[in-house]
Amino acid sequence: QITLKESGPTIVKPRQTLTLTCTFSGFSLSTSGEGVGWIRQPPGKALEWLAVIYWDDDKRYSPAMRSRLAITKDTSKNQVVLTVTNMDPVDTATYYCAHRHPTWTSYHFDYWGQGMLVTVSS
Amino acid sequence: KFILTQPHSVSESPGKTVTISCTRSSDSIDDNYVHWYQQRPGSSPITLIFEDTQRPSGVPDRFSGSIDSSSNSASLTISGLKSEDEADYFCQSYDTSNHDWVFGGGTKLTVL
Repeated sequence: QITLKESGPTIVKPRQTLTLTCTFSGFSLSTSGEGVGWIRQPPGKALEWLAVIYWDDDKRYSPAMRSRLAITKDTSKNQVVLTVTNMDPVDTATYYCAHRHPTWTSYHFDYWGQGMLVTVSS
Repeated sequence: KFILTQPHSVSESPGKTVTISCTRSSDSIDDNYVHWYQQRPGSSPITLIFEDTQRPSGVPDRFSGSIDSSSNSASLTISGLKSEDEADYFCQSYDTSNHDWVFGGGTKLTVL
């Protein structure tokens, strides 16, 4: 059974860097084909993909957010970390981590964390 | 980069059938699979349909997905509507050229 859970600060100040951790179980990020992504959702708005990291340490970022994002993994701890620099009130959103379905041609997320609301406010 | 456009909202009565569209702005809808997620209020998204037409185990067969090349769109059809189907529905595909995961704007389904 695959589970994921996000953790990190619930409030950050403008211009600060947000660091979120996704702790997962039920799969290993050292297994070929596996990947973990981050998606966010501002209150009342649509889902927005941010980043994904694969078992081979390949990393992909949203073109719109690329300059502000960094994604890393710690395979031994079953964790994926996302950092977002220069936070702004418009970055207030629920941040989800999700397991990428390992079929190479599919590109969808089959398991999602519960999400955590991050508010940007001074 | 392409955009996936969904109607902002749809509504229908219990027991009826509703279809939600997801139109790709450029290139072919067939270029990459389309997937559908359901998000009930206050909950995380769950996968309803993957790879255009496939249902994960546990998803009722009242939910079905299809692709229409002539309109360059994908559709999610829900038959035998229940009050529990009231939720937001998002389509998603993949932009191979930019390695970008693209979500539609979401459709709010109201079961009257």
